[in-house]
Amino acid sequence: AQSVSQHNHHVILSEAASLELGCNYSYGGTVNLFWYVQYPGQHLQLLLKYFSGDPLVKGIKGFEAEFIKSKFSFNLRKPSVQWSDTAEYFCAVIPGYSSASKIIFGSGTRLSIRP
Amino acid sequence: SQTIHQWPATLVQPVGSPLSLECTVEGTSNPNLYWYRQAAGRGLQLLFYSVGIGQISSEVPQNLSASRPQDRQFILSSKKLLLSDSGFYLCAWSRGQGAGGNTIYFGEGSWLTVV
Repeated sequence: AQSVSQHNHHVILSEAASLELGCNYSYGGTVNLFWYVQYPGQHLQLLLKYFSGDPLVKGIKGFEAEFIKSKFSFNLRKPSVQWSDTAEYFCAVIPGYSSASKIIFGSGTRLSIRP
Repeated sequence: SQTIHQWPATLVQPVGSPLSLECTVEGTSNPNLYWYRQAAGRGLQLLFYSVGIGQISSEVPQNLSASRPQDRQFILSSKKLLLSDSGFYLCAWSRGQGAGGNTIYFGEGSWLTVV
């Protein structure tokens, strides 16, 4: 069965540090890829998505992610984090040409930023 | 622009009582609608999805049911709540067809505590 792995369950960084959150998936064909963010007490919001084209995707709030097909990865990055980036981050994958109902979410990475 | 609302935001119900969580989407027609449950450290679990009025697909057999009485209304119900039904429930939508049809947008979520 397809799966999405976010190996880091909790990441703690200081402000201005660089961020990279890992995401790996287990499907060998075409994929649609997503990163969602959930700030404390809020709902899930879409950060960025990749359907096709440039594998380096830029999202909101200075985040970007790079799709590396050979590594089955879609890591999330930000060059300099802020305290307001404290949140939980979810990677998600839709395998093949499936509908959105087939989306698979990772278990999430909790990011804590020290002021 | 499209918006999604679900209510109530928080709910405390006794074991054995009924449940009704409601969700509505505005600004689009014939959306795909979803109910998810989010458990701490376990990501999101799809409970139900609907591609049209009266069309419900259940992903996980359980004590819950869903209905779609109108195009942009999705209801999560239970006749008799169990303690294990406690959790955070998220309504979501995606476009029915066409570009962007695979992007899911989430509502604010509903915290259910069964006591």
